[in-house]
Amino acid sequence: DAGVTQSPTHLIKTRGQQVTLRCSPKSGHDTVSWYQQALGQGPQFIFQYYEEEERQRGNFPDRFSGHQFPNYSSELNVNALLLGDSALYLCASSQDQSRQYFGPGTRLTVT
Amino acid sequence: DAKTTQPTSMDCAEGRAANLPCNHSTISGNEYVYWYRQIHSQGPQYIIHGLKNNETNEMASLIITEDRKSSTLILPHATLRDTAVYYCISHSGYSSASKIIFGSGTRLSIRP
Repeated sequence: DAGVTQSPTHLIKTRGQQVTLRCSPKSGHDTVSWYQQALGQGPQFIFQYYEEEERQRGNFPDRFSGHQFPNYSSELNVNALLLGDSALYLCASSQDQSRQYFGPGTRLTVT
Repeated sequence: DAKTTQPTSMDCAEGRAANLPCNHSTISGNEYVYWYRQIHSQGPQYIIHGLKNNETNEMASLIITEDRKSSTLILPHATLRDTAVYYCISHSGYSSASKIIFGSGTRLSIRP
């Protein structure tokens, strides 16, 4: 049984560009959350998707948007990239209150 | 969601018990305490969680004070592989629409 997978592993973009990151949840999980982790900081909650709807959102601008598909996989889109968007982007899936499973992350570098 | 506070760093000798404290003085009655750890450049890994009672699993023990304002994660026999950043977070569960707020965590170093 595969765990949470994310793609791509690494990505380099230029300021002003747009990026799409992808996440496939652990089998049987229906909830996907996205986090941004800057170097030396804890993960910051971006938003959570459940039943293809954004259920909760952290303090991130509208440039950050997402989507969840019927198979529960999810995408994170970031528009008009800024240098400060450089970070490790983590996806986590869950089913109930027991735990959250994290993927390995996508390292985004904005130049 | 409650905010948690943890020491920035700690160290422990290999083979000894590592006790990591966490304060969550504003925790509400329906919020759980979760512990995760993150080894360098990997995604966080779930360790344990609890509501009121102490909990134990194959990785660690969680001791929650009676007033639920603080907790301690115990790694009974620390090894070098336990070197990581440990995060204590509190929220009302992943099945609810609750924000999940990580702090800066405790960087635990295990010395040989």
